[in-house]
Amino acid sequence: TQLLEQSPQFLSIQEGENLTVYCNSSSVFSSLQWYRQEPGEGPVLLVTVVTGGEVKKLKRLTFQFGDARKDSSLHITAAQPGDTGLYLCAGARGFGNEKLTFGTGTRLTIIP
Amino acid sequence: EAQVTQNPRYLITVTGKKLTVTCSQNMNHEYMSWYRQDPGLGLRQIYYSMNVEVTDKGDVPEGYKVSRKEKRNFPLILESPSPNQTSLYFCASRNRVDTQYFGPGTRLTVL
Repeated sequence: TQLLEQSPQFLSIQEGENLTVYCNSSSVFSSLQWYRQEPGEGPVLLVTVVTGGEVKKLKRLTFQFGDARKDSSLHITAAQPGDTGLYLCAGARGFGNEKLTFGTGTRLTIIP
Repeated sequence: EAQVTQNPRYLITVTGKKLTVTCSQNMNHEYMSWYRQDPGLGLRQIYYSMNVEVTDKGDVPEGYKVSRKEKRNFPLILESPSPNQTSLYFCASRNRVDTQYFGPGTRLTVL
């Protein structure tokens, strides 16, 4: 199994601060996805990055795919309590990207 | 409303008693998958299906079976459940452009 390591595993910061979550692997993926999961619910897709070096922005969230397509980062600017949740990265492999390997997650808590 | 539904949401059973967790999607998606989520291990793919009658193993298929007789349904079958299959299970479906939707989860406890 190809592993995706996320860091940090837990992060607790004050509202208004910036943060970055990392997702690293020694394997190359055809695309990389970021999800957010709330307690008692399934993960919800935030973004998919496909091209090495690609940067995508979703309001205060910035996602980057590494040049070699082995790693990714999620940066949140001016974090808000609504950003609290479990953030998961997932690397896609296979002809139709049907095989997904998930990272172990980063549990983020934003303190008001 | 576009959604993935799973039943049951909660299940407590005993070792060896066959069970089926159903999954249904109303988005006409070709791809469907089953995952289990365990503390410290994250989400791991059990099986996936790329279309009707096309299924393949994910990373942790041992002890599980699936079938895809219709496009909308993808049941997960545990022929002889064991305590190490106690977990939170998610079904997911997606279209070709990688927008994957997850169901609400099924919390299974095997005693």
